[in-house]
Amino acid sequence: GENVEQHPSTLSVQEGDSAVIKCTYSDSASNYFPWYKQELGKGPQLIIDIRSNVGEKKDQRIAVTLNKTAKHFSLHITETQPEDSAVYFCAASSYSSASKIIFGSGTRLSIRP
Amino acid sequence: EPEVTQTPSHQVTQMGQEVILRCVPISNHLYFYWYRQILGQKVEFLVSFYNNEISEKSEIFDDQFSVERPDGSNFTLKIRSTKLEDSAMYFCASKIRGQSTDTQYFGPGTRLTVL
Repeated sequence: GENVEQHPSTLSVQEGDSAVIKCTYSDSASNYFPWYKQELGKGPQLIIDIRSNVGEKKDQRIAVTLNKTAKHFSLHITETQPEDSAVYFCAASSYSSASKIIFGSGTRLSIRP
Repeated sequence: EPEVTQTPSHQVTQMGQEVILRCVPISNHLYFYWYRQILGQKVEFLVSFYNNEISEKSEIFDDQFSVERPDGSNFTLKIRSTKLEDSAMYFCASKIRGQSTDTQYFGPGTRLTVL
């Protein structure tokens, strides 16, 4: 069935360093890959997304890459700041379903001052 | 900026009781979703809804669950007879169209605690 694997489950980086979170997906029909940030007690907030017709997308300190052949996609956060501390979820959506989102298991990112 | 809203933020109920979780999707959105997140686990899809019909539902969404759009603005999730394992955060989401590449916007969630 559809599945999204995410790692690492926890990540601690020094403020100012980069953080990388990696995901793989199983459904070849997946064509949309959003990344959500979830802060304590809040719902998932979209931070960036990528569609299957591009390999990379950047928005200020955040970038995502997609390798369709390998079914891998990654989130890169550069120059990390304390407010980046949160749980990050990768996800995938497929044109063959009702566009439900399949989430990864999440990465708890902690930024050390 | 338009946002999805949910009420209540926290619901406590006794096992076996019925609960209704409410959501107000973004006004011009046509597709609606419910997800749940058990504490410390991933967000799981429950059901999608379009044109007053369920489009797809997961194995979790059994006969105890139902959804409704009673008017032009609200979207509700009903659990008929709650179980302890229904305790979770429930998120409503909406999107403007049905294409998989359209963004889903999530509400802040309702924390359901079943005692």
